[in-house]
Amino acid sequence: GAVVSQHPSRVICKSGTSVKIECRSLDFQATTMFWYRQFPKQSLMLMATSNEGSKATYEQGVEKDKFLINHASLTLSTLTVTSAHPEDSSFYICSAELTGRDTEAFFGQGTRLTVV
Amino acid sequence: EDQVTQSPEALRLQEGESSSLNCSYTVSGLRGLFWYRQDPGKGPEFLFTLYSAGEEKEKERLKATLTKKESFLHITAPKPEDSATYLCAVRTNSNSGYALNFGKGTSLLVTP
Repeated sequence: GAVVSQHPSRVICKSGTSVKIECRSLDFQATTMFWYRQFPKQSLMLMATSNEGSKATYEQGVEKDKFLINHASLTLSTLTVTSAHPEDSSFYICSAELTGRDTEAFFGQGTRLTVV
Repeated sequence: EDQVTQSPEALRLQEGESSSLNCSYTVSGLRGLFWYRQDPGKGPEFLFTLYSAGEEKEKERLKATLTKKESFLHITAPKPEDSATYLCAVRTNSNSGYALNFGKGTSLLVTP
């Protein structure tokens, strides 16, 4: 299947600093990518939809000034957690879709963010 | 409001003991039902997409089926390496674009 690569897989940062997470579609172009957040033993919750060349669409309750999304090319979307706080510690996952005979949504490996 | 409910929350099977996981949904216009496998600390791994009632798909020991209200993931003669969390997700007319609405998952443990 198609490959979505997410980097870094783990990051620890201090409170008040910013962290950037990259999501790349390695073997296909994705005009739309998605960012999810997952708390322990909980399901994935959609944070925002990242659109190449335009502003991201955020879900209700997600602070767009805190979670900055940039979809600079058809293969790269970035999520920057600004002024991180311990409550931002979570598992962040991106996805991209490949549309063909069937539509398959592929996910990155996830990024474990710990804010200390 | 769209809802996706998976049951059971957790399931423990002996190796070779077949069973089924359930995903029931209430949505406004289904545009696809997805099954994923997720290992601890990893992103979800795509398994199947189903679009219409009566559709079935198979992959090795897994078979997914779909009705108008629910989907089943049948696991035949499971092995310990099938242990993982299985996630069900739907894409509906109310989602933003192609985003998926996930259930909470079923944690499967297969013991030797």
